[in-house]
This record gives sequence, C-alpha cells and structure tokens, in this order.
Amino acid sequence: NAGVMQNPRHLVRRRGQEARLRCSPMKGHSHVYWYRQLPEEGLKFMVYLQKENIIDESGMPKERFSAEFPKEGPSILRIQQVVRGDSAAYFCASSPAPLLYNEQFFGPGTRLTVL
Amino acid sequence: AQKVTQAQTEISVVEKEDVTLDCVYETRDTTYYLFWYKQPPSGELVFLIRRNSFDEQNEISGRYSWNFQKSTSSFNFTITASQVVDSAVYFCALSEVTNAGKSTFGDGTTLTVKP
Repeated sequence: NAGVMQNPRHLVRRRGQEARLRCSPMKGHSHVYWYRQLPEEGLKFMVYLQKENIIDESGMPKERFSAEFPKEGPSILRIQQVVRGDSAAYFCASSPAPLLYNEQFFGPGTRLTVL
Repeated sequence: AQKVTQAQTEISVVEKEDVTLDCVYETRDTTYYLFWYKQPPSGELVFLIRRNSFDEQNEISGRYSWNFQKSTSSFNFTITASQVVDSAVYFCALSEVTNAGKSTFGDGTTLTVKP
C-alpha cells in the first residue's frame, strides 16, 4: 500500500512563474490537507479538501494560491506569480476520514525554491 | 483558538543521555488529539504518536516515552539513552474537535545528539 505521494520533490521557479504541486493520497483516503513549512519554522495549515470540495481554506493566502482535489486525479496546490517568500517545503497529508478519528499520513513534501 | 508551544528551540546532548522535549498546548475543547512527529535531516515527517484527550495514560515505545498531563496542558516526550540517529527536529501538534480538518504545530525542537 503506497503512502502519500508528492511530486515533484524539488521545484525551482523564477519570480513570476507558476508552481503546481501535486499530492496523491493513500489509497482509500478522500481527505487531503496541505501545510507549508517556511525555513526554520513549524508546519502551518493551509487548506483542507475532500473530493471536489474545499472544506477549510482558512490558512491559504488570499491571493495567488489555490487548491483543488478533483474527483479523479491528485490534489493540486497552485501558486501563481511566485515570489521569493513562497520558498518553502509544502507537505500534503491524507486521511480516510476527518482527522479527528484517524492520524494524518504525510507525504515527503515538495521543496519549492523561487529564484 | 488552539496553540502549541515548544519552548526549547535547540537541545544538544551527548549520546546515551536521556532528554525530554517539552510541549505545552492551549485549547478550549474538551476533546482533542495530540501528536508528535520527527523530521530528520532528510526532511520527511515521521509520525511518532497520537494521544486523545481522554487517555492520560503514559506511553512507552522502546526508548521513547510520552507524559500527558491535562492539569498542566503538557505532552512531553522523553528519549532514553539517546543515539546519534535521534538527531532531528521534533514537532508537537494539536487537533481540536471543532477544527477537525487541521492540526496546529509547534515551532519544533532541534535535537542534536553528539557521539
């Protein structure tokens, strides 16, 4: 049973470009969470999605960031017009049910570097 | 609002010493979960333990042990006879019933175990 997969593992973008981060949850998991870890900091919640629905996006920056989890395929975190401050590790986690009843399984993360 | 404080930013010990990592949390909920994760230099997140608010039993797993005390809102983590491979950043996290979709992480404690 494969774990949570994230790709790419490392992503380099120049300022103004778009970054697309993908997360494939564990098999049977329909809940996905995205977190951001800035250098030397802990993880900060960004968004919680179920299939085709955004449940909680209270941690998402108001501009340039969006997330989706379509009926088919991986969850996508999209950052438009990236800036240097977007450089961070982005972690995806999945669970088969709301977090409270199950642990979250984390992916290996995508490390975004903005030049 | 939920909050997790890991007051120790960095700890350095010599191999075979015991070390305790502190975690203090704040929550208004009576039902919540607490977690510990390890983040080795490779960057992935490794799940260590989950504890719900109704289970105050201490837990031991090999050289790891956890002390959960609701009276002081603490969930401390002790490594006995530390080893160089224990060197990592350790995160404590909290999830509330009313925020079932997200975990709040502390800023982490960087543990260095010297040979």
